Amino acid sequence: EVQLVESGGGLVQPGGSLRLSCAASGFTFSDYAMHWVRQASGKGLEWVGRIRTKPNSYATTYAASVKGRFTISRDDSKNTAYLQMNSLKTEDTAVYYCTRLAVAGTGGYYYGMDVWGQGTTVTVSS
Amino acid sequence: DIVMTQSPDSLAVSLGERATINCKSSHNVLYTSSNKNYLAWYQQKPRQPPKLLIYWASTRESGVPDRFSGSGSGTDFTLSISSLQAEDVAVYYCQQYYTTPHTFGQGTKLEIK
Repeated sequence: EVQLVESGGGLVQPGGSLRLSCAASGFTFSDYAMHWVRQASGKGLEWVGRIRTKPNSYATTYAASVKGRFTISRDDSKNTAYLQMNSLKTEDTAVYYCTRLAVAGTGGYYYGMDVWGQGTTVTVSS
Repeated sequence: DIVMTQSPDSLAVSLGERATINCKSSHNVLYTSSNKNYLAWYQQKPRQPPKLLIYWASTRESGVPDRFSGSGSGTDFTLSISSLQAEDVAVYYCQQYYTTPHTFGQGTKLEIK
Protein backbone atom coordinates (compact mmCIF):
# COMPACT_ATOMS: atom_id res chain seq x y z
CA GLU A 1 0.00 0.00 0.00
CA VAL A 2 1.27 3.45 -0.93
CA GLN A 3 1.43 5.47 2.26
CA LEU A 4 2.80 8.62 3.87
CA VAL A 5 2.85 8.97 7.64
CA GLU A 6 3.71 12.26 9.34
CA SER A 7 4.96 12.56 12.89
CA GLY A 8 6.60 15.07 15.17
CA GLY A 9 3.82 17.56 15.72
CA GLY A 10 3.05 19.04 19.10
CA LEU A 11 2.83 22.15 21.23
CA VAL A 12 5.72 24.61 21.04
CA GLN A 13 6.23 28.14 22.30
CA PRO A 14 6.62 31.06 19.94
CA GLY A 15 10.23 31.29 18.80
CA GLY A 16 10.74 27.58 19.29
CA SER A 17 11.60 24.79 16.88
CA LEU A 18 10.08 21.53 15.78
CA ARG A 19 11.02 18.87 13.24
CA LEU A 20 8.35 16.97 11.38
CA SER A 21 8.98 13.65 9.67
CA CYS A 22 7.18 12.03 6.76
CA ALA A 23 7.77 8.30 6.36
CA ALA A 24 6.96 6.84 2.97
CA SER A 25 6.18 3.26 2.03
CA GLY A 26 4.82 1.32 -0.90
CA PHE A 27 6.59 3.29 -3.63
CA THR A 28 10.08 4.28 -4.75
CA PHE A 29 10.49 7.33 -2.54
CA SER A 30 13.63 8.58 -4.26
CA ASP A 31 11.75 9.04 -7.55
CA TYR A 32 9.38 11.70 -6.20
CA ALA A 33 9.54 15.35 -5.24
CA MET A 34 8.04 15.70 -1.76
CA HIS A 35 5.92 18.62 -0.68
CA TRP A 36 4.55 19.99 2.57
CA VAL A 37 1.13 21.62 2.73
CA ARG A 38 -0.48 23.09 5.84
CA GLN A 39 -3.99 23.97 6.91
CA ALA A 40 -4.94 26.18 9.82
CA SER A 41 -8.11 25.21 11.62
CA GLY A 42 -11.14 26.08 9.51
CA LYS A 43 -8.97 27.57 6.76
CA GLY A 44 -7.80 26.57 3.31
CA LEU A 45 -4.74 24.73 2.08
CA GLU A 46 -1.39 26.52 1.98
CA TRP A 47 1.57 25.11 0.09
CA VAL A 48 4.66 25.30 2.34
CA GLY A 49 7.51 24.00 0.22
CA ARG A 50 9.10 21.11 -1.61
CA ILE A 51 12.26 19.15 -2.13
CA ARG A 52 13.09 17.66 -5.49
CA THR A 53 14.91 14.44 -6.25
CA LYS A 54 18.64 13.65 -6.37
CA PRO A 55 18.85 14.10 -10.20
CA ASN A 56 17.43 17.58 -9.57
CA SER A 57 20.06 18.29 -6.90
CA TYR A 58 17.55 17.97 -4.03
CA ALA A 59 16.51 21.54 -4.85
CA THR A 60 14.19 23.18 -2.34
CA THR A 61 11.65 25.97 -2.70
CA TYR A 62 9.56 27.58 0.00
CA ALA A 63 6.52 29.77 0.42
CA ALA A 64 7.37 33.36 1.27
CA SER A 65 5.64 32.97 4.64
CA VAL A 66 8.16 30.37 5.82
CA LYS A 67 11.29 31.14 3.81
CA GLY A 68 14.32 31.52 6.02
CA ARG A 69 12.62 29.79 8.94
CA PHE A 70 11.69 26.35 7.56
CA THR A 71 13.98 23.81 5.91
CA ILE A 72 12.93 20.72 4.00
CA SER A 73 15.29 17.78 3.70
CA ARG A 74 15.10 14.11 2.82
CA ASP A 75 16.91 10.86 3.48
CA ASP A 76 16.24 8.52 0.58
CA SER A 77 17.92 5.64 2.43
CA LYS A 78 15.24 5.96 5.11
CA ASN A 79 12.36 6.84 2.75
CA THR A 80 11.72 9.90 4.88
CA ALA A 81 11.25 13.61 4.31
CA TYR A 82 11.64 16.22 7.02
CA LEU A 83 10.37 19.70 7.76
CA GLN A 84 12.56 21.61 10.19
CA MET A 85 10.64 24.58 11.57
CA ASN A 86 12.52 27.30 13.43
CA SER A 87 11.49 30.67 14.85
CA LEU A 88 7.91 29.46 15.01
CA LYS A 89 5.10 31.97 15.12
CA THR A 90 1.53 31.61 16.33
CA GLU A 91 0.39 31.85 12.71
CA ASP A 92 2.29 28.62 11.94
CA THR A 93 -0.33 26.72 13.96
CA ALA A 94 -1.84 24.21 11.54
CA VAL A 95 -2.14 20.62 10.46
CA TYR A 96 0.89 19.83 8.34
CA TYR A 97 0.55 17.33 5.50
CA CYS A 98 3.26 15.77 3.43
CA THR A 99 2.39 14.79 -0.10
CA ARG A 100 4.09 13.72 -3.28
CA LEU A 101 3.83 15.33 -6.70
CA ALA A 102 3.11 12.46 -9.05
CA VAL A 103 4.76 12.09 -12.41
CA ALA A 104 3.22 10.38 -15.39
CA GLY A 105 5.36 7.51 -16.62
CA THR A 106 5.32 8.65 -20.22
CA GLY A 107 6.92 12.00 -20.80
CA GLY A 108 7.62 12.69 -17.15
CA TYR A 109 4.83 15.23 -16.78
CA TYR A 110 3.67 16.18 -13.30
CA TYR A 111 0.01 15.45 -12.76
CA GLY A 112 -0.94 16.35 -9.20
CA MET A 113 -0.53 15.47 -5.55
CA ASP A 114 -1.91 11.98 -5.50
CA VAL A 115 -0.83 10.64 -2.10
CA TRP A 116 -1.23 12.50 1.19
CA GLY A 117 -0.48 11.67 4.77
CA GLN A 118 -3.09 12.05 7.50
CA GLY A 119 -1.32 15.12 8.82
CA THR A 120 0.32 16.11 12.08
CA THR A 121 -0.82 19.01 14.21
CA VAL A 122 1.51 21.82 15.19
CA THR A 123 0.36 24.31 17.82
CA VAL A 124 2.44 27.39 18.53
CA SER A 125 1.30 29.00 21.73
CA SER A 126 2.65 30.32 25.00
CA ASP B 1 3.00 34.17 -7.36
CA ILE B 2 0.05 32.76 -9.29
CA VAL B 3 -3.21 33.59 -7.56
CA MET B 4 -6.02 31.05 -7.81
CA THR B 5 -9.52 32.40 -7.27
CA GLN B 6 -12.50 30.08 -6.89
CA SER B 7 -16.16 30.93 -7.17
CA PRO B 8 -18.45 30.64 -5.42
CA ASP B 9 -17.10 30.36 -1.88
CA SER B 10 -20.03 28.11 -1.01
CA LEU B 11 -22.68 26.29 -2.94
CA ALA B 12 -25.87 24.42 -2.02
CA VAL B 13 -27.24 21.99 -4.60
CA SER B 14 -30.09 19.50 -4.44
CA LEU B 15 -29.36 15.79 -4.60
CA GLY B 16 -29.22 14.63 -8.19
CA GLU B 17 -28.65 18.12 -9.54
CA ARG B 18 -25.51 19.55 -11.14
CA ALA B 19 -22.87 21.43 -9.19
CA THR B 20 -20.36 23.71 -10.88
CA ILE B 21 -17.30 25.31 -9.33
CA ASN B 22 -15.07 27.79 -11.12
CA CYS B 23 -11.38 28.50 -10.74
CA LYS B 24 -9.49 31.38 -12.29
CA SER B 25 -5.73 31.61 -12.43
CA SER B 26 -3.86 34.91 -12.54
CA HIS B 27 -1.42 33.35 -14.99
CA ASN B 28 -1.64 30.85 -17.81
CA VAL B 29 -0.94 27.34 -16.48
CA LEU B 30 -0.82 25.64 -19.86
CA TYR B 31 2.53 23.90 -20.24
CA THR B 32 3.01 24.44 -23.96
CA SER B 33 5.59 21.70 -24.56
CA SER B 34 3.08 19.07 -23.45
CA ASN B 35 -0.15 20.96 -24.15
CA LYS B 36 -1.24 20.10 -20.62
CA ASN B 37 -2.76 22.46 -18.11
CA TYR B 38 -1.00 22.05 -14.78
CA LEU B 39 -4.24 22.40 -12.82
CA ALA B 40 -5.67 19.92 -10.32
CA TRP B 41 -8.87 19.64 -8.31
CA TYR B 42 -9.03 18.16 -4.82
CA GLN B 43 -11.87 17.12 -2.55
CA GLN B 44 -11.49 17.43 1.20
CA LYS B 45 -13.95 16.00 3.68
CA PRO B 46 -13.87 16.93 7.39
CA ARG B 47 -10.90 15.56 9.31
CA GLN B 48 -9.43 14.01 6.15
CA PRO B 49 -6.53 14.99 3.91
CA PRO B 50 -7.30 16.27 0.43
CA LYS B 51 -8.00 13.73 -2.27
CA LEU B 52 -6.91 14.23 -5.87
CA LEU B 53 -9.94 14.18 -8.19
CA ILE B 54 -8.82 15.73 -11.48
CA TYR B 55 -5.42 16.53 -12.96
CA TRP B 56 -4.29 18.21 -16.18
CA ALA B 57 -7.54 20.15 -15.77
CA SER B 58 -9.73 17.38 -17.17
CA THR B 59 -8.27 13.92 -16.45
CA ARG B 60 -10.00 11.97 -13.71
CA GLU B 61 -7.78 10.26 -11.18
CA SER B 62 -8.19 6.50 -11.03
CA GLY B 63 -11.21 5.47 -9.01
CA VAL B 64 -12.96 8.83 -9.14
CA PRO B 65 -16.63 8.50 -10.21
CA ASP B 66 -17.39 9.72 -13.71
CA ARG B 67 -19.95 12.21 -12.40
CA PHE B 68 -16.89 14.38 -11.68
CA SER B 69 -15.47 16.22 -14.67
CA GLY B 70 -13.08 19.07 -15.25
CA SER B 71 -12.77 21.50 -18.11
CA GLY B 72 -11.03 24.67 -19.15
CA SER B 73 -7.63 25.80 -20.34
CA GLY B 74 -5.14 28.58 -19.81
CA THR B 75 -6.58 30.61 -16.95
CA ASP B 76 -10.22 29.52 -16.57
CA PHE B 77 -11.30 26.15 -15.26
CA THR B 78 -14.44 24.40 -14.06
CA LEU B 79 -15.18 21.38 -11.90
CA SER B 80 -18.60 19.85 -12.47
CA ILE B 81 -20.47 17.19 -10.57
CA SER B 82 -23.21 15.96 -12.86
CA SER B 83 -25.57 14.43 -10.31
CA LEU B 84 -24.81 15.37 -6.73
CA GLN B 85 -24.65 12.55 -4.21
CA ALA B 86 -24.72 12.89 -0.44
CA GLU B 87 -21.11 11.72 -0.21
CA ASP B 88 -19.98 14.65 -2.38
CA VAL B 89 -20.47 17.11 0.48
CA ALA B 90 -16.97 18.50 0.96
CA VAL B 91 -14.71 21.44 0.31
CA TYR B 92 -13.19 21.53 -3.18
CA TYR B 93 -9.89 23.17 -4.05
CA CYS B 94 -8.17 23.92 -7.32
CA GLN B 95 -4.37 24.06 -7.41
CA GLN B 96 -1.81 25.05 -9.99
CA TYR B 97 1.43 23.10 -10.16
CA TYR B 98 2.77 25.01 -13.15
CA THR B 99 5.27 26.83 -10.97
CA THR B 100 6.19 27.20 -7.32
CA PRO B 101 4.62 28.19 -5.04
CA HIS B 102 2.01 25.64 -6.04
CA THR B 103 -0.90 27.80 -4.96
CA PHE B 104 -4.39 26.64 -4.07
CA GLY B 105 -7.70 28.37 -4.50
CA GLN B 106 -9.44 29.44 -1.29
CA GLY B 107 -11.85 26.50 -1.47
CA THR B 108 -15.54 26.05 -2.26
CA LYS B 109 -17.79 24.47 0.33
CA LEU B 110 -20.41 22.25 -1.29
CA GLU B 111 -23.53 21.40 0.66
CA ILE B 112 -26.87 19.74 0.04
CA LYS B 113 -29.87 22.02 -0.47
